[in-house]
Amino acid sequence: QVQLVQSGSELKESGASVKVSCKASGYTFNRYGIYWVRQAPGQGLEWMGWINTHSGNPTYAQGFTGRFVFSLDTSVSTTYLQIFSLLAEDTAFYYCAREDNWFFDSWGQGTLVTVSS
Amino acid sequence: QSALAQPASVSGSPGQSITISCTGTSSDVGNYNRVSWYQQHPGKAPKVIIYETDKRPSGVSNRFSASKSGNTASLTISGLQAEDEADYSCCSYAGDNTFIFGRGTRLTVL
Repeated sequence: QVQLVQSGSELKESGASVKVSCKASGYTFNRYGIYWVRQAPGQGLEWMGWINTHSGNPTYAQGFTGRFVFSLDTSVSTTYLQIFSLLAEDTAFYYCAREDNWFFDSWGQGTLVTVSS
Repeated sequence: QSALAQPASVSGSPGQSITISCTGTSSDVGNYNRVSWYQQHPGKAPKVIIYETDKRPSGVSNRFSASKSGNTASLTISGLQAEDEADYSCCSYAGDNTFIFGRGTRLTVL
């Protein structure tokens, strides 16, 4: 079955960087885009952007340009989210999700990134 | 690009029906029949319960239904059950491979 498995929780200091992974299984990896969604504590879901797993081309939503980078390694069916120069407001759960015909049919379990100041 | 507007909370008693609204603009909800709804229990990842405005994935109860009129989409849950208590978020395609989520609605089953 389709599965997205994310890396574990991270505790980082302000100014550091973090890399979250999302490993896909159960389907042909490069046939579906992978999207990233942020959920700050007690807040709603926020679309961050996506990466085309066929071309590797990333697209970033407004507010997620500059410090956020999506990448992938097709050899291990894994996409990555890197956040540089972490700020306290980056503290959130980060989810990867597979997009199928304009909705997100499978989600990773989420990765909590905590930034201490 | 602001979030889609949803009520912060709704509540209902077991067996009752509730409706959650999701209001966007003519650039997103009003322009595409590509609204999806997600259920999220505490500490869990979101799960799709409606896609393409009014379609249910296999395995999702037919107590969940949805519709759209103009710039507003709606999710209705009938025959409320305790297990329906969760957060519900709408999401709309907004063109050029971009999406916008709602702020989420907390459903309390009294």
